[in-house]
Amino acid sequence: KQEVTQIPAALSVPEGENLVLNCSFTDSAIYNLQWFRQDPGKGLTSLLLIQSSQREQTSGRLNASLDKSSGRSTLYIAASQPGDSATYLCAVSPPGGGNKLTFGTGTQLKVEL
Amino acid sequence: KAGVTQTPRYLIKTRGQQVTLSCSPISGHRSVSWYQQTPGQGLQFLFEYFSETQRNKGNFPGRFSGRQFSNSRSEMNVSTLELGDSALYLCASSDGLAPSSYEQYFGPGTRLTVT
Repeated sequence: KQEVTQIPAALSVPEGENLVLNCSFTDSAIYNLQWFRQDPGKGLTSLLLIQSSQREQTSGRLNASLDKSSGRSTLYIAASQPGDSATYLCAVSPPGGGNKLTFGTGTQLKVEL
Repeated sequence: KAGVTQTPRYLIKTRGQQVTLSCSPISGHRSVSWYQQTPGQGLQFLFEYFSETQRNKGNFPGRFSGRQFSNSRSEMNVSTLELGDSALYLCASSDGLAPSSYEQYFGPGTRLTVT
């Protein structure tokens, strides 16, 4: 059974700092990995999707990497801003694709002025 | 393009009642997935519908059911509500076609409270 863990569970940083969020999964046979952010009481916003054949994806200040063999992904956020405060979730899809995502436990990020 | 919409946004029900939640996917998307989010269990997959057929199913009891209509709109139903069913129910849509199109877009969710 696939298990996804995110470390740290919570993180507080001053504005402007670069930071890294970690995601680990136990079964490396994934189709893709997706990073989401969730604001309190809201739905999920898709940030980046990395196919299993890719090593990284970038969007603006965000960069996500994937090392399938070691079962790890990182989300790098450059020059953090208070608006980045949210819970960040990673999710993996099963071999062969499909929309049955297994989600991580989440990292709650707070960026302070 | 309009995003994923879910109705109602908030719902309060009593134990033993049943409830129906609705989800309208992004125009052109044929896959709708449902997830339950609770503080204790996190986000868990309920089921996925694609072209009116259930394509995937999670590990939830038979009290949880769903369906999809020809316009891709989906409903999920929970019968005989229990206190533990209190959760945020999220719906996600994608075009559902391999290989690069499994990116999912989520709605704002329905907050269900069972008393």
